[in-house]
Amino acid sequence: DSGVTQTPKHLITATGQRVTLRCSPRSGDLSVYWYQQSLDQGLQFLIQYYNGEERAKGNILERFSAQQFPDLHSELNLSSLELGDSALYFCASSVAVGVSYEQYFGPGTRLTVT
Amino acid sequence: TQLLEQSPQFLSIQEGENLTVYCNSSSVFSSLQWYRQEPGEGPVLLVTVVTGGEVKKLKRLTFQFGDARKDSSLHITAAQPGDTGLYLCAGDPYGGATNKLIFGTGTLLAVQP
Repeated sequence: DSGVTQTPKHLITATGQRVTLRCSPRSGDLSVYWYQQSLDQGLQFLIQYYNGEERAKGNILERFSAQQFPDLHSELNLSSLELGDSALYFCASSVAVGVSYEQYFGPGTRLTVT
Repeated sequence: TQLLEQSPQFLSIQEGENLTVYCNSSSVFSSLQWYRQEPGEGPVLLVTVVTGGEVKKLKRLTFQFGDARKDSSLHITAAQPGDTGLYLCAGDPYGGATNKLIFGTGTLLAVQP
């Protein structure tokens, strides 16, 4: 158990809909990262938040948005869903170790768009 | 675009055999991490290497970071069925607090008893 929690575990929805994925980082970690994992694209970085502020952006679509709340939990909002958005979505939080940061991943949310 | 290519993509071996997985890039990384992922679960961090030429050992697993910090390898000695999983390398190109990891293409390992 990494200490990072994600809900829900599974989500099935239809094209055009909007969903919200939730993540709680490990106690004490200020950074939250969101990743998308699909069979053809592998694990792709979407976005990072640090203590409520957006810190880095990756390959995140305009239809997707995220935020981090004062209690440090984060939500990833996916709208106008398409079949190609079906994937595993992971959240991670990090801790500084020397000069690098180590990321700890949650169990993921499997999104299926039908 | 920074890419991390892993080889081989798939590996099926018998229990007790040795194997090496490679992670290569044309870009320099400030640090590199190796993860193992089991089906339906999140990646689990195995090791972080930071210094060029660094070698780290974790029981039967040996990790090496290339001298130029562009590549890495994972060697498993006497593989066991419990080693089965997807192995991912991930590089941090920037360092610092923006820990934007670039993940490799993955190596799926199956160890047969």
